[in-house]
Amino acid sequence: GAVVSQHPSRVICKSGTSVKIECRSLDFQATTMFWYRQFPKKSLMLMATSNEGSKATYEQGVEKDKFLINHASLTLSTLTVTSAHPEDSSFYICSADSGANVLTFGAGSRLTVL
Amino acid sequence: QKEVEQNSGPLSVPEGAIASLNCTYSDRGSQSFFWYRQYSGKSPELIMSIYSNGDKEDGRFTAQLNKASQYVSLLIRDSQPSDSATYLCAVSGPNDYKLSFGAGTTVTVRA
Repeated sequence: GAVVSQHPSRVICKSGTSVKIECRSLDFQATTMFWYRQFPKKSLMLMATSNEGSKATYEQGVEKDKFLINHASLTLSTLTVTSAHPEDSSFYICSADSGANVLTFGAGSRLTVL
Repeated sequence: QKEVEQNSGPLSVPEGAIASLNCTYSDRGSQSFFWYRQYSGKSPELIMSIYSNGDKEDGRFTAQLNKASQYVSLLIRDSQPSDSATYLCAVSGPNDYKLSFGAGTTVTVRA
């Protein structure tokens, strides 16, 4: 079946630093990937739609300059949390359409900002 | 984003019983409906998808969709302890893959 690899699974960083999270489709090409954020005991909130070769589309309320998304190839999208602060600590999950309108999710990345 | 509401949990059921999960959505244009299972600290995994009115069965899971009532449900028959998880209802529109998720219902199956 379709596999989406997400890395790193856990990251701890100091406040003010930037963190990059990678999302790769391993056995299929994904022109579109999605980035979600999930706070403890809350549901997934769509942050942005990542489009290969073009700018990402951000959901209302999501800061474009803080959450940089790059989708440089058909198998890789990256999310960079710039100048991270403790309130950015969350579970970040990517997903990609693996065909037939079915999304496959990565394993998620838990970010802790000290 | 589309609003998706799920019945508040947690839902506790004895092993072997039926767990019933409900979900309503606000956008009448929604065309695709999904149930995901999420274990604590893990990402969601798809367990059911449904696109047309009626019932869809897959093993111990049955999804029911009623577009007129903007309602989708999930039944888990013969519940097992391994079914203990949070179940997320998700909907998407006719021409996009953007999923809107409900807050989830946590199910605990008591052995």
